[in-house]
This record gives sequence, C-alpha cells and structure tokens, in this order.
Amino acid sequence: QKEVEQNSGPLSVPEGAIASLNCTYSDRGSQSFFWYRQYSGKSPELIMSIYSNGDKEDGRFTAQLNKASQYVSLLIRDSQPSDSATYLCAVNPSGTGRRALTFGSGTRLQVQP
Amino acid sequence: GAGVSQSPRYKVAKRGQDVALRCDPISGHVSLFWYQQALGQGPEFLTYFQNEAQLDKSGLPSDRFFAERPEGSVSTLKIQRTQQEDSAVYLCASSLGQGGPETQYFGPGTRLLVL
Repeated sequence: QKEVEQNSGPLSVPEGAIASLNCTYSDRGSQSFFWYRQYSGKSPELIMSIYSNGDKEDGRFTAQLNKASQYVSLLIRDSQPSDSATYLCAVNPSGTGRRALTFGSGTRLQVQP
Repeated sequence: GAGVSQSPRYKVAKRGQDVALRCDPISGHVSLFWYQQALGQGPEFLTYFQNEAQLDKSGLPSDRFFAERPEGSVSTLKIQRTQQEDSAVYLCASSLGQGGPETQYFGPGTRLLVL
C-alpha cells in the first residue's frame, strides 16, 4: 500500500462546476498536509496547506482534513479551464526531524469549456 | 523576490557519464530538499539539508547519488555512472526552516535524460 493514495484520473468536470479531489494517507501520525498544482512540464506550486481537522477556505479552493479517517480533500469551486492540471497531495509524515514530503501520484483534472 | 533556481534545465547524458545538478534556494531559506519525479508520478524524496548539514539522505536510491551544500546555500546533486533508470526530473525545494509545518517552494527542475 502506498503511503499517499490518489485517484490518477483524469477527472473531467464542466466549466463552472465543483471539482472534488481526494487523498488518503497511511501514516496516522502525519501532521501537515498540502495540495500542490502541477501544470504539464512545470514544477509543483502550492495551492493549500492544512494542519487541523475541518475545512480551510482560500478563494475558490477549500481543503478538508479528517485525521480519524486519514483523508484529505480539495474542492475547487467554479472550475475554470485554467485549473486543468495535475493536483498532488503531499503529507509530512510523523517522526522526529522528518521534514520531507511524501507525495501521491497526482490526480489529473480536466475542466471542459 | 527570486524563487528557487536550478541549472541546467535539461541535461542529456550518455550511460556511464557523471552529472552535476545545481540548486540555488530562496535567499534566507535554511532547509533544502531534493526530489526525483518520474513521468506520471509524484515527486519522491531524495535528501534534505538544514544549512550545510545533510540531515536525511534516506531517499537516495544508490551510492551513485551524492548531494552537498558546503556553505549552506547552493546545493549540488551529483549522479555518478548514470543509468537509464536515472532519467527523471530532479526537483529542488527550499523552506524557511524555522521549525513546525512549513511550505516547500519548488524550483523549475532539471530534466535528465540518460541514453
């Protein structure tokens, strides 16, 4: 079992719809969770970070964390074609001194105009 | 301010050749990370520096991989006797390193192709 699991997609949504991206992780002691967006041929760019259970909203983006279920999600409201990219879920695993991120394989999102 | 920079952006190497990849982190960032990203996969951790100290090298796939950050700023990832399976994008990231959860900022990456 991979440490961070994502559905590879592609997830296809029409313009203006809500896109829902999901991620599960195996390390129950994980404390920090991140969503990165990666356009083809580009480097990952941070979209959201979340550290405590519940929802965190930033513009059209909402991150949701449920540590009991080991689940983190990203909602994108009013999806735009420019949101078409691969979305990477990243987790900072537990352990003293561990600062490296563990990434999922990413979910490819396609927003249809 | 300037972000993380990496050079070269593209590198083609013949199998068996040694390569050196450079990373210039964001000014003032104490922590520096190297990741390897294969096509269609998420980045995988290679190694981590706090200033000049290499605190975690658990992700380096073999002893052909070596990283250094001698003055706590610029870092070099060296791959000796490259193999075809080393073909990937090598990403460098930096963060403030003040403790607690931190955002890692990624450079543009070096795309390595080993023929």
